[in-house]
Amino acid sequence: DAGVIQSPRHEVTEMGQEVTLRCKPISGHDYLFWYRQTMMRGLELLIYFNNNVPIDDSGMPEDRFSAKMPNASFSTLKIQPSEPRDSAVYFCASSRGRLYEQYFGPGTRLTVT
Amino acid sequence: QKEVEQDPGPLSVPEGAIVSLNCTYSNSAFQYFMWYRQYSRKGPELLMYTYSSGNKEDGRFTAQVDKSSKYISLFIRDSQPSDSATYLCAMTPPAGTASKLTFGTGTRLQVTL
Repeated sequence: DAGVIQSPRHEVTEMGQEVTLRCKPISGHDYLFWYRQTMMRGLELLIYFNNNVPIDDSGMPEDRFSAKMPNASFSTLKIQPSEPRDSAVYFCASSRGRLYEQYFGPGTRLTVT
Repeated sequence: QKEVEQDPGPLSVPEGAIVSLNCTYSNSAFQYFMWYRQYSRKGPELLMYTYSSGNKEDGRFTAQVDKSSKYISLFIRDSQPSDSATYLCAMTPPAGTASKLTFGTGTRLQVTL
C-alpha cells in the first residue's frame, strides 16, 4: 500500500504569491495532520482533521493559512499571500484512529523569496 | 519551559557503540510515548511506541519509560552508520483531550565508521 503522498516535493515562489500544498493520506485512515518543520521551532502541528472535518486549527499561524479536506483522499494547505518566513518543510501525516501511530509523507520543501 | 525537552546534539558515536537518546517531560498526564526517526530530507518514521513504564524491545532498539521521573529513553545497540538520523520523541495527551502529539525538537545522531 502506498504511503502518504505529498505534492509538490519542492516549491520555490516569490513573496506575495499563493501556494497550494497537496496531500493524499493512506487509504482507510480517518485522521489527517498538517505539520510545519523549521530549524528554529522544530515540528509544529498546524491543523488536523478527523473524518474530513477540521478539529483543531489553533496551530495555523495566521489567516493567510487555510486548509481543506474535501474528501477522505485529499487535503490541501494554502498560503495566500506567502511570505519569506513561511519557508519551511511542510509535512502531512495520517493515522487510523490511533494518535500514537502517525505516518508521515515525504514533505514539501517551501522556499519563499 | 517546554513540555518536552530533548538535547539537540549532535551526538557522534563510533560504529558498534550503544547509543542512548533521552527526553524529559513535564506533563505527568502524557499517555503514549513514541520515537520517530527522521533521515535528512525525509519525513519522520515511527520506530516504536510504549504506553506504560518499563522497557520495550524491537531488534537493536529498546524504548524505556520512567513515568515517575518523567523520563524516556531510546537505546540503540550495535549502532550502524545507517542509524545516522535525527531522533524525535513524541507524546500523546490524556484521553479525552485534544488529539495532538507533543514532539521534542530532536537529537541528531551520527554513527561513524
